[in-house]
Amino acid sequence: QKEVEQDPGPLSVPEGAIVSLNCTYSNSAFQYFMWYRQYSRKGPELLMYTYSSGNKEDGRFTAQVDKSSKYISLFIRDSQPSDSATYLCAMTANTGNQFYFGTGTSLTVIP
Amino acid sequence: DGGITQSPKYLFRKEGQNVTLSCEQNLNHDAMYWYRQDPGQGLRLIYYSQIVNDFQKGDIAEGYSVSREKKESFPLTVTSAQKNPTAFYLCASGLFGLAGGYTGELFFGEGSRLTVL
Repeated sequence: QKEVEQDPGPLSVPEGAIVSLNCTYSNSAFQYFMWYRQYSRKGPELLMYTYSSGNKEDGRFTAQVDKSSKYISLFIRDSQPSDSATYLCAMTANTGNQFYFGTGTSLTVIP
Repeated sequence: DGGITQSPKYLFRKEGQNVTLSCEQNLNHDAMYWYRQDPGQGLRLIYYSQIVNDFQKGDIAEGYSVSREKKESFPLTVTSAQKNPTAFYLCASGLFGLAGGYTGELFFGEGSRLTVL
């Protein structure tokens, strides 16, 4: 079983839709959770960072962590064509020597 | 501006040659990492360093070497022993050093694409 599972998609939505991206994980020691946006041939850009459980909101983006279910989500409201990218989830325990990444979900927002 | 600079962005190498990818950060981060990204495989850890003059192998270290002589710099050498070196290489850094200041965030550079001819 992989440490982190992420549906690769692809996901295609119309402009203005609400997008939900998800990851599940197996290691209960994970405490730090991140979402990255990666455009083609570019490095991943850190979008959201959450420590432990709960919600965090930043503009059109909301990150949720449910440690009891080992499930994290990223919601994008009012999606824009510029949101078209691959979204990676990542997580780590408190040692900093190993991060675990999902394989990424490819999102296309259609104008 | 603070950030992570990788160079070169694109590199072509003949088989049998060693190449070195540069990674410099001015974020004052203790920890630095090298990842390899291949289509459909996600990010795989090559090497990481949490303090100057120390580094550890990741999951796919064979055929690669690194050094950490300065806090700001973590170059990666892809040696001729690496059997399948064509890939997208990503350098990252974070505040996970053994000196403390742990925050959990990991930041990436723009990547270097290596093609072996």
